[in-house]
Amino acid sequence: EVQLVESGGGLVQPGRSLRLSCAASGFTFDDYAMHWVRQAPGKGLEWVSGISWNSGSIGYADSVKGRFTISRDNAKSSLYLQMNSLRAEDTALYYCTKSTGFGVVNPPDYWGQGTLVTVSS
Amino acid sequence: QSALTQPRSVSGSPGQSVTISCTGTSSDVGAYNYVSWYQQHPGKAPKLMIYDVTKRPSGVPDRFSGSKSGNTASLTISGLQAEDEADYYCCSYAGSYSVVFGGGTKLTVL
Repeated sequence: EVQLVESGGGLVQPGRSLRLSCAASGFTFDDYAMHWVRQAPGKGLEWVSGISWNSGSIGYADSVKGRFTISRDNAKSSLYLQMNSLRAEDTALYYCTKSTGFGVVNPPDYWGQGTLVTVSS
Repeated sequence: QSALTQPRSVSGSPGQSVTISCTGTSSDVGAYNYVSWYQQHPGKAPKLMIYDVTKRPSGVPDRFSGSKSGNTASLTISGLQAEDEADYYCCSYAGSYSVVFGGGTKLTVL
C-alpha cells in the first residue's frame, strides 16, 4: 500500500523559512517522479513543484520560483521542500504526491494527507 | 502558468450524465496528452480519476471517462450517483517541467 506522510508544517512568521519532508513507502520510490501540491483554505489545488525520479528534471510554479527548492533522497525514500522568504499567500495545506511515471510530465496519482503551513506574524 | 478554466459548478440528477470542461491553451492542454482529473470530497485528499486524457486507474468506475479536443479537455460522468458529489479538478502538463491545475468545479447531485 502506497503511503506518503508529510511533516514539517506549522506556524511561521513572514520572511522566515520552513522545510517540509515526505516519507514514502509501499512502492519503489526511485522509479517515480514526485510533486508538491498545495491548497489554500477554501481554495483550489495549486501545483508547487515537481522532481523527476533521478532529480535530473525539476520545475516550479512561478509563484514560488526562487524561494522554494525541491529535493529528494532516494536512499531514504524521502521528498523535501525547502521554503524560504515565506509570505502570507503561501499559507496552505501542502500535499506530497507520487507521480504515475518517472518524469515531471506524469501527473500525481497518490496523495498524502497534507501538512499545514501557516504564515502569519 | 495561468490556471486552466473550469465551470464553477455543474449539477445533475441521479442516473444522468454530466460533463465538466477544462479549457487551456496550445501550450498546455492542446500541446500534450497529459491531462488528468481529480475528485476531492470535503476534508479529504484528492483522488486521481483519469490520467493521460483517457486512462482510468484501477478501481475507478467506468462511469468516469475523459476526452480532449484542441485546447479543451472534458470529464464525463455517466449514471450519476450521490457519492459523485464532490469537487473536480483538471490538471495538465504545461511544458518546461511545469504543471497547471484548473480552478475546480463543484458537482452537485440533485
